[in-house]
Amino acid sequence: TQLLEQSPQFLSIQEGENLTVYCNSSSVFSSLQWYRQEPGEGPVLLVTVVTGGEVKKLKRLTFQFGDARKDSSLHITAAQPGDTGLYLCAGADSGGSNYKLTFGKGTLLTVNP
Amino acid sequence: KAGVTQTPRYLIKTRGQQVTLSCSPISGHRSVSWYQQTPGQGLQFLFEYFSETQRNKGNFPGRFSGRQFSNSRSEMNVSTLELGDSALYLCASSLLGAGYGYTFGSGTRLTVV
Repeated sequence: TQLLEQSPQFLSIQEGENLTVYCNSSSVFSSLQWYRQEPGEGPVLLVTVVTGGEVKKLKRLTFQFGDARKDSSLHITAAQPGDTGLYLCAGADSGGSNYKLTFGKGTLLTVNP
Repeated sequence: KAGVTQTPRYLIKTRGQQVTLSCSPISGHRSVSWYQQTPGQGLQFLFEYFSETQRNKGNFPGRFSGRQFSNSRSEMNVSTLELGDSALYLCASSLLGAGYGYTFGSGTRLTVV
């Protein structure tokens, strides 16, 4: 069974601060995705990373996939209240199955104005 | 284009009853997946359908079932409801499968009393 551990579980920061969220596993994934979920809504896909060592930037968000494709990080620069939400990482099976994602339990981020 | 539509948004049922949830994927998406989200367990995979065929099933009891129609719309059914089935049920559609990223619906909030 593949598991994804996210840390920290909760994060409360002030507007303008930087933060990093981590997603770790002992399993190898063929790709890793990050989602953000707001209360009462479904998760929204932010990025997919597929190559070990890959770094992707999306405005103030930087995503990195570990060289061994077992871990990932999300870094937010100068956080804003609009970044508040539940951040979820999810891995696709490396065994060739494209049928499901394994999700971490999420990091609940609160950015205070 | 229209997103993923889930109906109903909210549902209250009594223990022992059964319930059917509906999901209309993005037009052209043939893969539909279902997840259960609870505060304690996070997102847990229920099943995935592609072109009316179930390709994968999670570790849920047989009370949980689903199907997909020729127009890619999907339904999931839970029979003999238990209090522990109270959760947010999320439907996600994808062009080809999980590894390509999901578009989630807003979910159905099921409360069992």
